[in-house]
Amino acid sequence: QQQVKQSPQSLIVQKGGISIINCAYENTAFDYFPWYQQFPGKGPALLIAIRPDVSEKKEGRFTISFNKSAKQFSLHIMDSQPGDSATYFCAAKKGGSEKLVFGKGMKLTVNP
Amino acid sequence: GAGVSQSPRYKVTKRGQDVTLRCDPISSHATLYWYQQALGQGPEFLTYFNYEAQPDKSGLPSDRFSAERPEGSISTLTIQRTEQRDSAMYRCASSLGASSTDTQYFGPGTRLTVL
Repeated sequence: QQQVKQSPQSLIVQKGGISIINCAYENTAFDYFPWYQQFPGKGPALLIAIRPDVSEKKEGRFTISFNKSAKQFSLHIMDSQPGDSATYFCAAKKGGSEKLVFGKGMKLTVNP
Repeated sequence: GAGVSQSPRYKVTKRGQDVTLRCDPISSHATLYWYQQALGQGPEFLTYFNYEAQPDKSGLPSDRFSAERPEGSISTLTIQRTEQRDSAMYRCASSLGASSTDTQYFGPGTRLTVL
């Protein structure tokens, strides 16, 4: 059973466009929701994270929107750049647990 | 160190052989994690250490998998009697502590291929 479902599986956007990646979760005990960015040949790197006590968090061009009642959260990349081309993973963790549960990932391609 | 390092980066072995993978965490980090990442999938948790203690090994797929961190720094993941289904990227990560929001820093991974 996949605890964190990510969509779409891949996305192609033009430079300057908005990239949106969605995640849904089932376990209401999750209380920490990070997004990781992974470039080819590298390990995942934390991009931005949110706790469920806020509905939105913004860091530069990256924004997480969180909908607790719908059990969904999304990553918005504004003014997408070719350097943003990577695989993006959403993840979730329960309070008191060290186990990060990852989505399957989404490959983003930003065309120049 | 500058980041999490793993060795070897690539390992090809024959079915039935034992393999040992190594992880060097960031030097100040108390907590170390092991993940298995299949092609086209997200990392899946295997186990973690808080210093040398191993509080959770619930993600280890079978008793052929074991991990150690005897001195609370370097860790090894050993797979005994490897099977073709063990072929995957094995990633190590470390974090400053075991707080639920401590950032996990991932290494480049070891690509294991079992023939």
